Amino acid sequence: DSGVTQTPKHLITATGQRVTLRCSPRSGDLSVYWYQQSLDQGLQFLIQYYNGEERAKGNILERFSAQQFPDLHSELNLSSLELGDSALYFCASRGDTDTQYFGPGTRLTVL
Amino acid sequence: GDSVTQMEGPVTLSEEACLTINCTYTATGYPSLFWYVQYPGEGLQLLLKATKADDKGSNKGFEATYRKETTSFHLEKGSVQVSDSAVYFCALSDLWRGGSEKLVFGKGTKLTVNP
Repeated sequence: DSGVTQTPKHLITATGQRVTLRCSPRSGDLSVYWYQQSLDQGLQFLIQYYNGEERAKGNILERFSAQQFPDLHSELNLSSLELGDSALYFCASRGDTDTQYFGPGTRLTVL
Repeated sequence: GDSVTQMEGPVTLSEEACLTINCTYTATGYPSLFWYVQYPGEGLQLLLKATKADDKGSNKGFEATYRKETTSFHLEKGSVQVSDSAVYFCALSDLWRGGSEKLVFGKGTKLTVNP
């Protein structure tokens, strides 16, 4: 158990819909990262937050957004969903070392 | 930009066979290197890491040595078990040298170990 939790575990929705994925980092970790894992693109970095502020952006679509709240949990919002957004979405957190600890992921299926 | 190349899978071995999964990297800085493992239906778990040249990371019988001269971080295990069946990802980040904190992953290598 990494100490990082993600909900929900599975999400099935339709094209055009909007969903929210939630992540709780390990206790005390200020950095939260979001990654997307798909068969064709592999593991891709989406966005990072540090103590409530956006720190870095990767290959995140404009239809996607994220935030980190004062209690350090983070949410990834995906809107106007397309079939191609079906993937595993991972959250990771990091403390003072260079190691990122991953949650179990949310599997999103867009029908 | 930074990138990681690891050997294509899948790899199928018999129990007690030797394993090597090759990983090479390209980075403008001096990155930390990682191996993560993903068991079926689970998230990524850190297997081992190394932060500077000639460092050897080890865990659960797996080893990898940070080779700056060859820009490599090959994963090895002397005797694999059925329970080692998983997908293995090589990754880097350049956190400590002012580079990008994000993890850059290879495409993953699926290992199947048969009894």
